[in-house]
Amino acid sequence: QSVLTQPPSVSGAPGQGVTISCTGSSSNVGAGYDVHWYQQLPGTVPKLLIYGNSNRPSGVPDRFSGFKSGTSASLAITGLQAEDEADYYCQSFDSTLSGYVFGTGTQVTVL
Amino acid sequence: EMQVVESGGGLVKPGGSLRLSCAASGFTFSEAWMSWVRQAPGRGLEWVGRIKSKIHDETTDYAAPVQGRFSISRDDSKNMLYLQMNSLKTDDTAVYFCTTLTILTGYYPPCFGDWGQGILVTVSS
Repeated sequence: QSVLTQPPSVSGAPGQGVTISCTGSSSNVGAGYDVHWYQQLPGTVPKLLIYGNSNRPSGVPDRFSGFKSGTSASLAITGLQAEDEADYYCQSFDSTLSGYVFGTGTQVTVL
Repeated sequence: EMQVVESGGGLVKPGGSLRLSCAASGFTFSEAWMSWVRQAPGRGLEWVGRIKSKIHDETTDYAAPVQGRFSISRDDSKNMLYLQMNSLKTDDTAVYFCTTLTILTGYYPPCFGDWGQGILVTVSS
């Protein structure tokens, strides 16, 4: 079981916004390690969406934004589009496990 | 264009061994930190292990579930990454992705940059 907990699913109507939480602890996010986010469209490989808590790689729409505070991080998607239907994963490092860790994953559904 | 392509997957019996390969191109492989990530059918992403570059002593680290059973190595002369998997269990059934690790100035940990298409490993009797 992952040490980074995400809600299994979130949904929203086109044009609306959703937020995905990534809850960690004092050995990972709370210890100051940064958080990255990945998007995995159906049947495809994961793609880096947000790096360093809040930075977007080139080509990622500004509808996607990241935030980190304390032992948690979050990914916000505004102006939902059908093409945003995907699984989203946070990722960080855990000092107790001495390794990289992924969140449990969140499936985003556009209603 | 950066590219990594996995090969070597297939069906293996519990307790058996398998070696995955990853061919890299389009970037300076010898300077890259590389990693393996897996995804069991219908499940989430799980980090498997990482190998640093030669300048960083090719240090390896592994996730607890595979520690002592899996081993990552690299051949910079061939731009190849390997994952040797021994004592395989049914729980190791997954698609295995070869990925680059992007070291970000001012941020830790690195992020997983370029991903291969993945290769399926099925452990079943």
